[in-house]
Amino acid sequence: SYELTQPPSVSVSPGQTASITCSGNKLGDKYTSWYQQRPGQSPVLVIYQDTKRPSGVPERFSGSSSGNTATLTISGTQAVDEADYYCQAWDRSTVFGGGTKLTVL
Amino acid sequence: QVQLQQSGPGLVKPSQTLSLTCAISGDSVSSTSAAWNWIRQSPSRGLEWLGRTYYRATWSNDYAPSVHSRITITPDTSKNQFSLQLNSVTPEDTAVYYCARGMYLRGFYYDYWGQGTLVTVSS
Repeated sequence: SYELTQPPSVSVSPGQTASITCSGNKLGDKYTSWYQQRPGQSPVLVIYQDTKRPSGVPERFSGSSSGNTATLTISGTQAVDEADYYCQAWDRSTVFGGGTKLTVL
Repeated sequence: QVQLQQSGPGLVKPSQTLSLTCAISGDSVSSTSAAWNWIRQSPSRGLEWLGRTYYRATWSNDYAPSVHSRITITPDTSKNQFSLQLNSVTPEDTAVYYCARGMYLRGFYYDYWGQGTLVTVSS
């Protein structure tokens, strides 16, 4: 079965750029979505189709994908961005990554 | 604005049936561009897609292989909602269950989620 791999944790200083990676076989040939989940809340879609932002998601969130890796980038990271982030792709079925805890120090 | 409101019990006994409902506002369960999904989350299994129901001239369902023999997802057009039934539950089915709207373009993404229901399987 298809697998997506994320780093368990990423740390960033306020105002800096955070990058969270998601790896999977030929992931660049599929569309990747990203979800933000704050403690006790439901996941929220922040990026879909690799690079698109839903209405209401701040412009500091961006996505890219190539080869075997998709990347979620948060520019000018704010304390409010501290959360778990999950990538998701579709390979005959929906697959989620294991999640990355973003800490804003 | 699409909203999904979940309801159902938070405690189910082993071997019994887990039943949850997701009421839709701002869209239709009969939409021909959306699919209506159940996804669960647990510390041991992470986020796990369970299945979907969708209407494309006829009703169809897709289920994850891990639960295929135990799961049923049913639309209710009169109430604009859809339901999850998971039979023969064990403690391994303890998780937070979410309903979510899925949109498709070379793969699904999930743009609206319910509030989540913690379901504990215990006697």
